[in-house]
Amino acid sequence: DTAVSQTPKYLVTQMGNDKSIKCEQNLGHDTMYWYKQDSKKFLKIMFSYNNKELIINETVPNRFSPKSPDKAHLNLHINSLELGDSAVYFCASSQEGGSEAFFGQGTRLTVV
Amino acid sequence: AQSVTQPDIHITVSEGASLELRCNYSYGATPYLFWYVQSPGQGLQLLLKYFSGDTLVQGIKGFEAEFKRSQSSFNLRKPSVHWSDAAEYFCAVGATNAGKSTFGDGTTLTVKP
Repeated sequence: DTAVSQTPKYLVTQMGNDKSIKCEQNLGHDTMYWYKQDSKKFLKIMFSYNNKELIINETVPNRFSPKSPDKAHLNLHINSLELGDSAVYFCASSQEGGSEAFFGQGTRLTVV
Repeated sequence: AQSVTQPDIHITVSEGASLELRCNYSYGATPYLFWYVQSPGQGLQLLLKYFSGDTLVQGIKGFEAEFKRSQSSFNLRKPSVHWSDAAEYFCAVGATNAGKSTFGDGTTLTVKP
């Protein structure tokens, strides 16, 4: 069983489109995250979310929005895609209180 | 504000040689420190973590790291590198929760046969 799973693994789309990436964790964790890894492999947190609060990295454009239908899922919606959105997006989860984060395999988004 | 510096963008070592990857941090309190490895096309996997106690931490795959408060460092070491260790390595610092930590820019490790 995959602990943190993301779909799709690859996503190619045109500029201006709206797309979603899904994430599910079966670890019972209470906090989930979205990270963006650019072409230089720099890893930046975009959102952290639990059932109490959503923390948004202030550098993230409001075209990006997390949606959590329940504790085990945190989907990423992206509106009006731009070329600069091309990157690998990682979902992760962890339990509060000093534990490691478990990462998904990543979704490689290419905007053309 | 917390920050992490990994001074070496790319390191190449021969198989069987020893390895040390550097990590320096800036944090206002006692830090929580992590090392992650990312194999090509994969997500990140935790190698080891330091919260408190013994400053020499053992991790998976034969890695260890030493917390040195006086030098604000948390360097990763391995006595004998295997070809399968070729990957991207990330140091992270900060919150009690690793997911909210700040990640360094990574060090790419190449292993020569």
